[in-house]
Amino acid sequence: SQKIEQNSEALNIQEGKTATLTCNYTNYSPAYLQWYRQDPGRGPVFLLLIRENEKEKRKERLKVTFDTTLKQSLFHITASQPADSATYLCALVNNFNKFYFGSGTKLNVKP
Amino acid sequence: DGGITQSPKYLFRKEGQNVTLSCEQNLNHDAMYWYRQDPGQGLRLIYYSQIVNDFQKGDIAEGYSVSREKKESFPLTVTSAQKNPTAFYLCASSVEDEAGGLNGYTFGSGTRLTVV
Repeated sequence: SQKIEQNSEALNIQEGKTATLTCNYTNYSPAYLQWYRQDPGRGPVFLLLIRENEKEKRKERLKVTFDTTLKQSLFHITASQPADSATYLCALVNNFNKFYFGSGTKLNVKP
Repeated sequence: DGGITQSPKYLFRKEGQNVTLSCEQNLNHDAMYWYRQDPGQGLRLIYYSQIVNDFQKGDIAEGYSVSREKKESFPLTVTSAQKNPTAFYLCASSVEDEAGGLNGYTFGSGTRLTVV
């Protein structure tokens, strides 16, 4: 079955730096990949989607890359702010619209 | 504002008791989902429904039941057969894009269920 791996250790960075989060997967390539933000005690919020034929997607300070050879997606937040502190989830979606979620990586941005 | 409303936010269940979690959406989305979130694990799909009066089991449906009598509503019942129900439950909805793929889920704010 599909396996999604996100770093379980929290990522601690200084305000203003670029945060980079990793999502690795095994087995078959997804049709597309999504990233979500989740705050404590709240539901995830959809951020970005990238399709298998796209290498990179940007939205304001966010950038997602997708390398189907490495089976990896990178999620970047540039000029990070303390308000960006949250847990970030990646989700792979196959051609049958089935979702596979990672367990998330917690980001701490220190002022 | 359009969105998904889950209630209650916190729920306590006694041993052997059935409880029902509410999920209502006003987004006019066809598909609705129930996920369970446990610490250190990815979201796991319990049940989903792509159309009114139809629903399918997800990966961990045992001990749960659902209904979809209206497009807007997708309640989840946690039965006494669910041996480890303490978790954070998330309801979501989605709509297909022009290519037949799914845009991002819209999630509710969740219900935290605790067995006492």
